[in-house]
Amino acid sequence: EVQLVESGGGLVQPGRSLRLSCTASGFTFGDYAMSWVRQAPGKGLEWVGFIRSKAYGGTTEYAASVKGRFTISRDDSKSIAYLQMNSLKTEDTAVYYCTRQRVVGDAFDIWGQGTMVTVSS
Amino acid sequence: SYVLTQPPSVSVAPGKTARITCGGNNIGSKSVHWYQQKPGQAPVLVIYYDSDRPSGIPERFSGSNSGNTATLTISRVEAGDEADYYCQVWDSSSEGVFGGGTKLTVL
Repeated sequence: EVQLVESGGGLVQPGRSLRLSCTASGFTFGDYAMSWVRQAPGKGLEWVGFIRSKAYGGTTEYAASVKGRFTISRDDSKSIAYLQMNSLKTEDTAVYYCTRQRVVGDAFDIWGQGTMVTVSS
Repeated sequence: SYVLTQPPSVSVAPGKTARITCGGNNIGSKSVHWYQQKPGQAPVLVIYYDSDRPSGIPERFSGSNSGNTATLTISRVEAGDEADYYCQVWDSSSEGVFGGGTKLTVL
């Protein structure tokens, strides 16, 4: 079964850091780009960023709202994608989903169940 | 950055046809994907590349895209179709963009 499982969410104070993990199974992880999408409570979906597969350089792109604070990385040997979140703000409070796509332009065809991040003092 | 505009809500009676629009500047030149999200659940892809359906998605779901508007059409609407629906594209800077979402209510 193709599956994505996020972990690492929780309560964190403003200005602190948190790292989320997305563990994949059931498919060849290295063949896919991996994206993170978030959803603030009661709000819509917001794309956070993605990392290309190694075949496409393994480079990253980010939304303006997180650029310079968030970093996406991947470990193909473990089938895990990471979202390192630094200098967290209260407005980063959201459910964070990881998703996959083959290349830029593709749809997000598989989603994890999400992990909640609450930024509050 | 590129902006996608969706109506906040659409209501339809069971058995009728629902149409959810997604507006964007020359969106017809882009590929549009649609997601369904039910309360407390992760989004599910229902239409990709304007009009293709993933396996397991009923034929009642269809999509089109032309000019400045993309449309998700749900025929013979059922109570189980009640959900939030989001359109999504990739902009020229390789950034993902979502519409604001449309809440579909089945009367």
